[in-house]
Amino acid sequence: NAGVTQTPKFRVLKTGQSMTLLCAQDMNHEYMYWYRQDPGMGLRLIHYSVGEGTTAKGEVPDGYNVSRLKKQNFLLGLESAAPSQTSVYFCASSYSTYARNEQFFGPGTRLTVL
Amino acid sequence: GQQLNQSPQSMFIQEGEDVSMNCTSSSIFNTWLWYKQDPGEGPVLLIALYKAGELTSNGRLTAQFGITRKDSFLNISASIPSDVGIYFCSTSGTYKYIFGTGTRLKVLA
Repeated sequence: NAGVTQTPKFRVLKTGQSMTLLCAQDMNHEYMYWYRQDPGMGLRLIHYSVGEGTTAKGEVPDGYNVSRLKKQNFLLGLESAAPSQTSVYFCASSYSTYARNEQFFGPGTRLTVL
Repeated sequence: GQQLNQSPQSMFIQEGEDVSMNCTSSSIFNTWLWYKQDPGEGPVLLIALYKAGELTSNGRLTAQFGITRKDSFLNISASIPSDVGIYFCSTSGTYKYIFGTGTRLKVLA
């Protein structure tokens, strides 16, 4: 049982480049989330999904897009990276936000945009 | 977004000491989750609480769900150097999770 995995672990981009971060979970969770964590800012929700084929915006969605084509995967895309998107990105998943609502996090992706 | 009030913000303690931290809210919740985040790692779930008044242990860690359902406490007994990290509380609303501001723990050997 791998839990929540994220690829890549590290990435350096130039301004304007694009990339996709992949999150996978093997716990059959319905809900999946993408957060960014900046120094002194805590975790901020970018986008989330409450089931396969669904996505919704979180607190800081601008500059990001997501897709949930398969239940186990949640992709975060940056179409045109900006230095302000330098951050650590965490994916998380849970069964729900009601019963059995423990949320489990991946190890993170450290992204630097030059 | 909504946050939970967590205190203290940081603490330095001597190895072997007990540690207490708490998380409060003005709203009532049905769940309290406690996480630890090591430097450079993702948050790891330590304890989940689902019932007002519930007291749950995980090794040297003990957490309690406040009877008013507006707060929770985490205690660490006999701290060791590997306890260093950021501890934060969390709870859930409709589809989303709310997080505390974190308690940064540093243990002096």
